[in-house]
Amino acid sequence: DSGVTQTPKHLITATGQRVTLRCSPRSGDLSVYWYQQSLDQGLQFLIQYYNGEERAKGNILERFSAQQFPDLHSELNLSSLELGDSALYFCASSVDVSYNSPLHFGNGTRLTVT
Amino acid sequence: EDQVTQSPEALRLQEGESSSLNCSYTVSGLRGLFWYRQDPGKGPEFLFTLYSAGEEKEKERLKATLTKKESFLHITAPKPEDSATYLCAVLPGGGATNKLIFGTGTLLAVQP
Repeated sequence: DSGVTQTPKHLITATGQRVTLRCSPRSGDLSVYWYQQSLDQGLQFLIQYYNGEERAKGNILERFSAQQFPDLHSELNLSSLELGDSALYFCASSVDVSYNSPLHFGNGTRLTVT
Repeated sequence: EDQVTQSPEALRLQEGESSSLNCSYTVSGLRGLFWYRQDPGKGPEFLFTLYSAGEEKEKERLKATLTKKESFLHITAPKPEDSATYLCAVLPGGGATNKLIFGTGTLLAVQP
């Protein structure tokens, strides 16, 4: 068990809808990352927060947004969902942003858009 | 552009048959190379970090090595419980973030 908690585990929704994915980092970790994993593309970095502030942005669509709250949990909001958004969404956390601070991943939220 | 390529895509071994997985990378400076294991339906589990060419790390039947262009994950006398997808990721140099760039993984199946 990595200590990173993601909810819900599974989410099935229709095109055009909006969903929120939640992540609680490991105790003591200040940085949170969101990754998308699809069958053909592997793990793609979406966005990183450190202590409540956005730190880095990857190939995150404008329809997607995220935030990290004062208690350090994070939420990823996906709106105007399309079939191609179906994927596994992983949250990871690390102690800080130093190069020797490995990422620890949760077990993901599987999103299915129908 | 920073890139990570893993080979082979899939590998089937008999129990006890040692082999190696390859991770080649092209990055603008390398601050670290990471190996993860991912079981079906689970998130990636951290295994090793390597920082400089020539460095080696070991954990049970696994040994990771690093050169200036690639990393190898050697699996000695594997057991069925070593079956998983092994992911390699790099942390490019520069910047104030430690976001990782992942390869697409090697799916390892170890048969009894």
